[in-house]
Amino acid sequence: EIVLTQSPGTLSLSPGERVTLSCRASQSVGSNYLAWYQQKPGQAPRLLIYGASNRATGIPDRFSGSGSGTDFTLTISRLEPDDFAVYYCQQSGSSYTFGGGTKVEV
Amino acid sequence: QVQLQESGPGLVKPSQTLSLTCFVSGGSISSGGYYWGWIRQRPGKGLEWIGYSYFSGGTDYNPSLKSRAFISVDASRNQFSLKLSSVTAADTGVFYCARIGEWKYGWYFDLWGRGTLVTVSS
Repeated sequence: EIVLTQSPGTLSLSPGERVTLSCRASQSVGSNYLAWYQQKPGQAPRLLIYGASNRATGIPDRFSGSGSGTDFTLTISRLEPDDFAVYYCQQSGSSYTFGGGTKVEV
Repeated sequence: QVQLQESGPGLVKPSQTLSLTCFVSGGSISSGGYYWGWIRQRPGKGLEWIGYSYFSGGTDYNPSLKSRAFISVDASRNQFSLKLSSVTAADTGVFYCARIGEWKYGWYFDLWGRGTLVTVSS
């Protein structure tokens, strides 16, 4: 099983700041089949990024993903008030596993 | 547009079987092209994939739950179901149904239900 480790666990930031979230895999994620999801309190997760660097439908361009192999990054160029949430990475290169999440808070 | 809605008991006794159904509206589950799956989120924890099924059969499960989980699709009712047997308090959590779609680079959970809280307690 591929274990995904996200860091940091929590980030305290202000609107307008740039955010970089990390997701590290215990082994290489095949074909970079890695996604990022956003989850707000009381809501289901929403697909943001797929294939490590591709924005899903309707996702603003302030969200970007990068990385390959075992190290992946989600960047939010300028935090909007609506972006404070928990972010999960997920791989589908070998079965499906999720990271533990990073909470972005004010 | 396609929407998913979970239903089922919010309280299950230990050792019993948890049964949930996900109703798909706005589209046909038998049109193909998607897998239909379940994910859970235990209190204070992250997301955990349980398993998925294709409308015509073909399933896969998280190895940690494989012996207890069963997912089936009822195309005539446009819904799919999860059964999780021999539950304990550790199975308490929010259960989400989700659609797994093929994007240009891999398969991802691209549509989710709102989730339903299931508590395991006597």
